[in-house]
Amino acid sequence: NAGVMQNPRHLVRRRGQEARLRCSPMKGHSHVYWYRQLPEEGLKFMVYLQKENIIDESGMPKERFSAEFPKEGPSILRIQQVVRGDSAAYFCASSPNRDSSGYGYTFGSGTRLTVV
Amino acid sequence: DQQVKQNSPSLSVQEGRISILNCDYTNSMFDYFLWYKKYPAEGPTFLISISSIKDKNEDGRFTVFLNKSAKHLSLHIVPSQPGDSAVYFCAASGNQGGKLIFGQGTELSVKP
Repeated sequence: NAGVMQNPRHLVRRRGQEARLRCSPMKGHSHVYWYRQLPEEGLKFMVYLQKENIIDESGMPKERFSAEFPKEGPSILRIQQVVRGDSAAYFCASSPNRDSSGYGYTFGSGTRLTVV
Repeated sequence: DQQVKQNSPSLSVQEGRISILNCDYTNSMFDYFLWYKKYPAEGPTFLISISSIKDKNEDGRFTVFLNKSAKHLSLHIVPSQPGDSAVYFCAASGNQGGKLIFGQGTELSVKP
């Protein structure tokens, strides 16, 4: 019964390159959320997706960032032309439904992106 | 606009004593309040939550108290154990579900 799987765990990119972060939700979960944690800060919501649909992208930067959750395969967070300020830990979470209570809302171990 | 705030970056407690972690919020429309525990290099782990219609929820050594008039909640851990040492995040969600709004976190250190 695997949890939320994120890969890679660590990713190093040079300025201007593209970063692709992957998230496989828990079995039976069709709701996926992406969060970013900058050093010394809490987690900030980025985007909420359900299969093939973006439900809420109010936390996504307007440029260079995009997310998808296709019918088959993992959810992908894509960052184009990375800059040093994109260096952070990116966490994915999944849930079986749109429940506010937190039960079943499970986080992955994160991808640590370093831009050099 | 920080809607959820944890004003204490760190807390140190002796093993066996009570740990009290505090959280304040500004949006009275939040539906649920949640506490997560996070170890370095791992994702947050759900601990306990409370509905906005309640004022207390208890689960083993963990109790969350909600004071709606003060827009304040707290997490009590009794008795504290060295394994409780971690960063604790308070979070809030709206009645539409979906995104969580997190505080900045409080690093708890429980000393043997």
